[in-house]
Amino acid sequence: AQSVSQHNHHVILSEAASLELGCNYSYGGTVNLSWYVQYPGQHLQLLLKYFSGDPLVKGIKGFEAEFIKSKFSFNLRKPSVQWSDTAEYFCAVNEGGSNYKLTFGKGTLLTVNP
Amino acid sequence: GAGVSQSPSNKVTEKGKDVELRCDPISGHTALYWYRQSLGQGLEFLIYFQGNSAPDKSGLPSDRFSAERTGGSVSTLTIQRTQQEDSAVYLCASSLSGWGGDEQFFGPGTRLTVL
Repeated sequence: AQSVSQHNHHVILSEAASLELGCNYSYGGTVNLSWYVQYPGQHLQLLLKYFSGDPLVKGIKGFEAEFIKSKFSFNLRKPSVQWSDTAEYFCAVNEGGSNYKLTFGKGTLLTVNP
Repeated sequence: GAGVSQSPSNKVTEKGKDVELRCDPISGHTALYWYRQSLGQGLEFLIYFQGNSAPDKSGLPSDRFSAERTGGSVSTLTIQRTQQEDSAVYLCASSLSGWGGDEQFFGPGTRLTVL
């Protein structure tokens, strides 16, 4: 069975700092990889998704993630965070093709101090 | 242009009672999913519906859990004889099709508290 590890439970940054959240998955086959975000009081929404092609994926609000197949990683990055990025971030994987089930990591809470 | 809606937003029940949670997917989406978000367990897949195909129930934690989807649209998740460990946020999502590359759009969730 596939699994997803997010190594940072809680990250605290100041505004303008750079962000990198780690995500590793265990599955040897083709995968689709996603990052979801949950802002305080709001529902889960998709930040970005990789399913094929360029391993560097750009998403909304200046976020990007790089799929490194050899490392089974899909880390999320942002060069300069804002207070409004305070949220919980979830990495998710589903097997490629028709497999729809998302397996989520346990989430990373990001707090950005003004 | 409404998103996925869920009702109720909060439900408090007593141990042993049955509860029903409702999900209205985005119009035109053929695939519908239920997930559970609980402390310590994160987000877990429960069940998946795609069109008229038999649902994938592989994530349901026990036979007290069941779900149905009527007319290819609204879905109801039923938990019978609720237990305290059932306390969680139940999330519904829908996507255009069941293809793994489709974006899943999530609803706001139903927070279930079992006393």
